[in-house]
Amino acid sequence: AQSVTQPDIHITVSEGASLELRCNYSYGATPYLFWYVQSPGQGLQLLLKYFSGDTLVQGIKGFEAEFKRSQSSFNLRKPSVHWSDAAEYFCAVGENFGNEKLTFGTGTRLTIIP
Amino acid sequence: GAVVSQHPSRVICKSGTSVKIECRSLDFQATTMFWYRQFPKQSLMLMATSNEGSKATYEQGVEKDKFLINHASLTLSTLTVTSAHPEDSSFYICSAGTTGELFFGEGSRLTVL
Repeated sequence: AQSVTQPDIHITVSEGASLELRCNYSYGATPYLFWYVQSPGQGLQLLLKYFSGDTLVQGIKGFEAEFKRSQSSFNLRKPSVHWSDAAEYFCAVGENFGNEKLTFGTGTRLTIIP
Repeated sequence: GAVVSQHPSRVICKSGTSVKIECRSLDFQATTMFWYRQFPKQSLMLMATSNEGSKATYEQGVEKDKFLINHASLTLSTLTVTSAHPEDSSFYICSAGTTGELFFGEGSRLTVL
């Protein structure tokens, strides 16, 4: 069975600082990996996804993530965070390309301090 | 981009009553929709897969008689929480996919008094 681990429950960074959110997955085949962001009381918005090809993927809002098969990781990064980035971030893994059901990590809550 | 809409966004009901939550794909047809449940400060847990024109597929541990799912058309799936109790209070989110991407609704917060 597939699983996703987000080791950091809560991260606090200063506005303008760089950010890295960790995600490790467990899956027997080639995973389909996603990062979603959720603002309080809202649904989820897709930041980026990896299916195949270039292991460094660019997403919206200046985010990027790198797939490292050897480390079973798909960490999310942003060079300079903005106060509006404060939210909950979820990493997810899917079994198939497209709209199949996803397994989510427990999430990382990001707080931005001035 | 594609939009998935849920209604209502918030609902408060008395214990023992039933509540229906709608999930609509506004600009695409979805043969499959997914229902998730999210407890406070926790991740999303898949409850069931809603299949248009057929029975839903429930995840292990989810009571199908408690959480009734109907997917009567290609743009609408409904989740009915029957005989709701306070422990059913949660944030319910639906999703549907098109062109290789999954879109999520805004979520529905259910509070059972």
